[in-house]
Amino acid sequence: DSGVTQTPKHLITATGQRVTLRCSPRSGDLSVYWYQQSLDQGLQFLIQYYNGEERAKGNILERFSAQQFPDLHSELNLSSLELGDSALYFCASSITPDRGGELFFGEGSRLTVL
Amino acid sequence: GENVEQHPSTLSVQEGDSAVIKCTYSDSASNYFPWYKQELGKRPQLIIDIRSNVGEKKDQRIAVTLNKTAKHFSLHITETQPEDSAVYFCAATEGYSTLTFGKGTMLLVSP
Repeated sequence: DSGVTQTPKHLITATGQRVTLRCSPRSGDLSVYWYQQSLDQGLQFLIQYYNGEERAKGNILERFSAQQFPDLHSELNLSSLELGDSALYFCASSITPDRGGELFFGEGSRLTVL
Repeated sequence: GENVEQHPSTLSVQEGDSAVIKCTYSDSASNYFPWYKQELGKRPQLIIDIRSNVGEKKDQRIAVTLNKTAKHFSLHITETQPEDSAVYFCAATEGYSTLTFGKGTMLLVSP
C-alpha cells in the first residue's frame, strides 16, 4: 500500500459526459501528480500541484482540468469525453517536487468511455 | 523539454538469464534517473534510482549504470526469476521539473 488513495477504481461512461477522479496523497506529501496511461503510451504526465498551486503542466487537454484543495486532496475533471480518453489515470504524490525523489502512485482509476 | 527513449519494448528471457533495458535522454541538465516496475494490473513502484554524481548503483540482483557523456542509462537484472516479469519504465528529470518516462519495456521471464 503506497498510502495514495484514488477513487473510483473503475468508471464507465458515455461520450460527451464529464467525470471527476479523486486522489488523496500520502500523509505529509504536498505534491500531487496526474498521469495518463494508455495502451502502448507509457505514462503521460498531465499536471502537477504543489501545496495547492499548479506547479507544472504536461500534455493535458483543454477539456481536462484539475485542482488541489486545502486539505491537499486533488481532483481531475475530464469533460466532453471521447473514446480516446479511455485510459488508466494515475495519481502520484511526493514530499517535494524538487531535487528528484520517489513518486508514490495510487492504484489508478480505469476510465472506459463507450 | 526532456525526451526519454527506451529499448527494447519487449524482452523475453529464460529464468536465470540476465536482462538489460536501455534508455537515452535528451536534456543534458537531467540529474536524476529512476526506474519503476509495474506488475500487471498494479501501480508503478520505484525499484532503483541513480543520480548523476555516480556511474553505477546496485541493489541485490538489479543494477543501474549511467553514462552522462552519451546521455544513456541502463537497468541490469541478473538471475531473472518469473516474478521479475513486469513492465519497466525508466525516467529522467533535472530535479526542478516533473519526471519524463520512457514508454516502457515488457519483460517476460519464462520458467
